[in-house]
Amino acid sequence: EPEVTQTPSHQVTQMGQEVILRCVPISNHLYFYWYRQILGQKVEFLVSFYNNEISEKSEIFDDQFSVERPDGSNFTLKIRSTKLEDSAMYFCASSESRGGPNNEQFFGPGTRLTVL
Amino acid sequence: GNSVTQMEGPVTLSEEAFLTINCTYTATGYPSLFWYVQYPGEGLQLLLKATKADDKGSNKGFEATYRKETTSFHLEKGSVQVSDSAVYFCALSDRRSSGDKLTFGTGTRLAVRP
Repeated sequence: EPEVTQTPSHQVTQMGQEVILRCVPISNHLYFYWYRQILGQKVEFLVSFYNNEISEKSEIFDDQFSVERPDGSNFTLKIRSTKLEDSAMYFCASSESRGGPNNEQFFGPGTRLTVL
Repeated sequence: GNSVTQMEGPVTLSEEAFLTINCTYTATGYPSLFWYVQYPGEGLQLLLKATKADDKGSNKGFEATYRKETTSFHLEKGSVQVSDSAVYFCALSDRRSSGDKLTFGTGTRLAVRP
C-alpha cells in the first residue's frame, strides 16, 4: 500500500541552525501539507502546497519557514534559524484532491525535531 | 474560528469493554468531521469520517455520528481489543471557511489491558 515517508525520524539541532525535514508524498498525490505537534499540545496546521506554490499558511508559518518540492518527489520543510520553541513532531501529509471522495489526507510517521 | 475539543486521556480499559471518546467542535461553516488514529511509531491514519449532519462514519468496529444539534462527533466501539491501544484524534475541515486544512483536537490516548 502506498504511504507517505519522512526522514529523518529524529533530528537534533542547536538553536540558530538550519534544518530541512524531508517527505516523500504518495506518488499520484497533488496536494501537500505540513503540520506540527508540540509535546502535549494539539496537532497544528502549518502550510499547504499545490502546483509548486503555497495555497494556504498559518500564522505559525513565518518567514523562518519555507517549503519546496525540488525534484517532483520530495517535499521539504526548511526552518532557517531554529528556536527552542520549534521543538515538535512535524507531520507531512498528501492528498489526491481537494474536496470530493478522494480528499483524504495521508500522513507520514513524523519527524521529531529537538532544538537544544 | 474553528476548534475541536476532545476528552482528556489517558483512557484505560479492559479488553471487551465499551469505548466512548467525546469530541465536540466549533465551526463557522459546514465542516467535515474525522477521527484519526496513531499507533505507536506510526503516522496519523484516517479511521472514519462524516461529511454532513446525521452521517455515521464506521470502520474496524468504530462508529461516530455527526450531530449538528450538539456539535459532537463522539467515537464509540462496543468491544475494544488490545490492538486498539493508540492515540485517537478528532478533527474537522471546513473548506468554505478555512480551506483544506485539518483542525485537530489534542488527542486521547487509549490503553487496553488484556
